[in-house]
Amino acid sequence: KAGVTQTPRYLIKTRGQQVTLSCSPISGHRSVSWYQQTPGQGLQFLFEYFSETQRNKGNFPGRFSGRQFSNSRSEMNVSTLELGDSALYLCASSYTQGAEAFFGQGTRLTVV
Amino acid sequence: QQPVQSPQAVILREGEDAVINCSSSKALYSVHWYRQKHGEAPVFLMILLKGGEQKGHEKISASFNEKKQQSSLYLTASQLSYSGTYFCGTAYMNRDDKIIFGKGTRLHILP
Repeated sequence: KAGVTQTPRYLIKTRGQQVTLSCSPISGHRSVSWYQQTPGQGLQFLFEYFSETQRNKGNFPGRFSGRQFSNSRSEMNVSTLELGDSALYLCASSYTQGAEAFFGQGTRLTVV
Repeated sequence: QQPVQSPQAVILREGEDAVINCSSSKALYSVHWYRQKHGEAPVFLMILLKGGEQKGHEKISASFNEKKQQSSLYLTASQLSYSGTYFCGTAYMNRDDKIIFGKGTRLHILP
């Protein structure tokens, strides 16, 4: 079966712009989590959606937001981009909360 | 409440054993272990629930000590394919709690 698909794979944006990243989970999975990965910081939790509702949220500013659609696909949006937002953004899907998660290949965002 | 992983990095020769620790300052509900190879997505290894258990996955196993609020990942007779960064993720409240990952432990296996 198809894995987790994240689009686009690479993005270059300018400071102040906004960006939308997309994640298509494995068919049948209803939980989608988003993580920011930077060198030396590991996987920083952004938020988790389950059945179109945000169930958990990390300690990121309000510029970071997300949503989940009825087909479980999820998007995250970052507004007013800062240089420090440059990172690999990973999406993980699981059948339910707290279960084995499958990660996508990520979207590498570079802010210049 | 990011869990603390130790060591930060370790270099082994093929066939040697390694232990990676994951410690928390709060009581844990579950511990999740993942491995990420360079340039790839993290891959699930195992989940351990509170109650103190041990799980195995080929030559990779893990334990969960609820009292000590820590988990350890054991890699025995390491193979070249074990190289990568190992992350532990922790949930504190219940199954539905967010998974917070540590900074990772880089493991490099030499032939």
